[in-house]
Amino acid sequence: EPEVTQTPSHQVTQMGQEVILRCVPISNHLYFYWYRQILGQKVEFLVSFYNNEISEKSEIFDDQFSVERPDGSNFTLKIRSTKLEDSAMYFCASSDGRDTYTGELFFGEGSRLTVL
Amino acid sequence: GQSLEQPSEVTAVEGAIVQINCTYQTSGFYGLSWYQQHDGGAPTFLSYNGLDGLEETGRFSSFLSRSDSYGYLLLQELQMKDSASYFCAGHQAGTALIFGKGTTLSVSS
Repeated sequence: EPEVTQTPSHQVTQMGQEVILRCVPISNHLYFYWYRQILGQKVEFLVSFYNNEISEKSEIFDDQFSVERPDGSNFTLKIRSTKLEDSAMYFCASSDGRDTYTGELFFGEGSRLTVL
Repeated sequence: GQSLEQPSEVTAVEGAIVQINCTYQTSGFYGLSWYQQHDGGAPTFLSYNGLDGLEETGRFSSFLSRSDSYGYLLLQELQMKDSASYFCAGHQAGTALIFGKGTTLSVSS
């Protein structure tokens, strides 16, 4: 069964460093998302991406964050100058766009970011 | 904007039925979804209600009443493996899926 894959599964970084989280969405999907979940809290929307551009972003997704689809398969989240409060699980998700209103997103297993 | 409220914890025993409620405040809202998450892993899709009424998928059912800004997830014949976090999630046209804070379900034998 097709799945969303994310790397790395866990990354530890020093405050102020840049981090790139990578995702390979399901191949025929058209919509891509990044969410984050601070330990024990809710899943928070960061950004959605369609047709090679950001379609929506939340208040969390400030200038520190950027997304890119550098080729036909990868979707990346870059966090510049990480802060302690960026420590969280970051989930990539994709949907096929056939029916964007069913709420069915396919999530990866997440990348746990720890900022020291 | 929108917010979704759900209980933080629910406990039940194997074989029982449990209902997890979700109330929301939003404008232009058009559907409610439910996701399951085990031990902080990938959230997995359970159900979607785009219309008022009940949707049934095996042991799980979900209900939506847009006039009451209310929905619920009903889990029947509970099993130990159903112990997980359950999130209601909704979105408005043109916006991404927004999640509630989640309900931790603990099933005991």
